Amino acid sequence: AQSVTQLGSHVSVSEGALVLLRCNYSSSVPPYLFWYVQYPNQGLQLLLKYTSAATLVKGINGFEAEFKKSETSFHLTKPSAHMSDAAEYFCAVSDRSYQKVTFGIGTKLQVIP
Amino acid sequence: NAGVTQTPKFRILKIGQSMTLQCTQDMNHNYMYWYRQDPGMGLKLIYYSVGAGITDKGEVPNGYNVSRSTTEDFPLRLELAAPSQTSVYFCASSLEGANLFFGPGTRLTVL
Repeated sequence: AQSVTQLGSHVSVSEGALVLLRCNYSSSVPPYLFWYVQYPNQGLQLLLKYTSAATLVKGINGFEAEFKKSETSFHLTKPSAHMSDAAEYFCAVSDRSYQKVTFGIGTKLQVIP
Repeated sequence: NAGVTQTPKFRILKIGQSMTLQCTQDMNHNYMYWYRQDPGMGLKLIYYSVGAGITDKGEVPNGYNVSRSTTEDFPLRLELAAPSQTSVYFCASSLEGANLFFGPGTRLTVL
């Protein structure tokens, strides 16, 4: 079975500061990993995904994540936060069959002007 | 393309009532999913389907039923509503599972 742990249910950063959202995974098989973003009163949308190609994955809106097998981590980063980045971010994991995608509890990002 | 549509957007049920949450996608996706989202709990998978006529249980299937008679539709049935089923329900679809497309959600309250 796969699972993800997101460290920090709430993260606050100043506008222009580095965004770092942490995700650690547990999987008995090589995982596929994802970050999704949810804006208020909307469904989730895919930010980026790792499917065993490059370990550094670039996504939309300037976000990127690095797969580190030795640390079982897939942290999400953005060099400079923008007010529009305020949202809830979910890390997710799937096995290679994709039949079950398991989500973390989410991290709410607040951007302070 | 409308993507994934869900109806209704909001619903209040009394304990013991039944209802069906509708989900339709027009992207010809094989995979479809139902999740519930509760504050601080993330998303929990209720049921999923990998194609018409095939469904399987997720993490929290108790109290729910699904069917998948066509590629487009994946309704979720609540037979005897309980307060514990108060939640926001999301339907999602995917071509092969790597990228889930979510609907706008249904906010359900059971009183």
